[in-house]
Amino acid sequence: DTEVTQTPKHLVMGMTNKKSLKCEQHMGHRAMYWYKQKAKKPPELMFVYSYEKLSINESVPSRFSPECPNSSLLNLHLHALQPEDSALYLCASSQIQPRTGRMNTEAFFGQGTRLTVV
Amino acid sequence: AQTVTQSQPEMSVQEAETVTLSCTYDTSESDYYLFWYKQPPSRQMILVIRQEAYKQQNATENRFSVNFQKAAKSFSLKISDSQLGDAAMYFCAYRRLTGTASKLTFGTGTRLQVTL
Repeated sequence: DTEVTQTPKHLVMGMTNKKSLKCEQHMGHRAMYWYKQKAKKPPELMFVYSYEKLSINESVPSRFSPECPNSSLLNLHLHALQPEDSALYLCASSQIQPRTGRMNTEAFFGQGTRLTVV
Repeated sequence: AQTVTQSQPEMSVQEAETVTLSCTYDTSESDYYLFWYKQPPSRQMILVIRQEAYKQQNATENRFSVNFQKAAKSFSLKISDSQLGDAAMYFCAYRRLTGTASKLTFGTGTRLQVTL
């Protein structure tokens, strides 16, 4: 199983709504990522979880709140978003490079959630 | 900070022909990974090919190969015998070699069109 599954595929929400994006992988990866991608742009990193702990937060506004309940799941809680937050949100996972030896650490991506904030 | 540059916003190739997509990067690290990802209209980022900086041999995956020039910090992708299904946005990406999870730094992408 080399899949990263994201739900929902599409989401329309109002600026006062609270919603959550979900991501799941069963590859045993201990690093999970949230990226934001605007149209015709490359993905931009938002958050990184390593061993279920938040290791990187790229100065993301607090209206985005990540959560990693276990090693297979990653959530992104959304609250009071703005129209400019409309984008494709991509989840990814990878192995973590050990201190010694080498390991394939390429990121596997989900199909993303297309978010529209109205 | 690492940067990745793709100077070709769009490229076009005829079916069955060969096309090369360019990528340059800047880093002070000596060991790292480089990747080409493909993003078709289905939106999913799909890994095309991976190169480890310590390996001098250029990576190949079927019709896809790279020309990795470490001193020049260049990492181009060659697609041979192009197919309609190759049409997509292609992103070059860099990743540090590290003991913890680290981010991918992407280039701005090259949109590849494949014509009959």
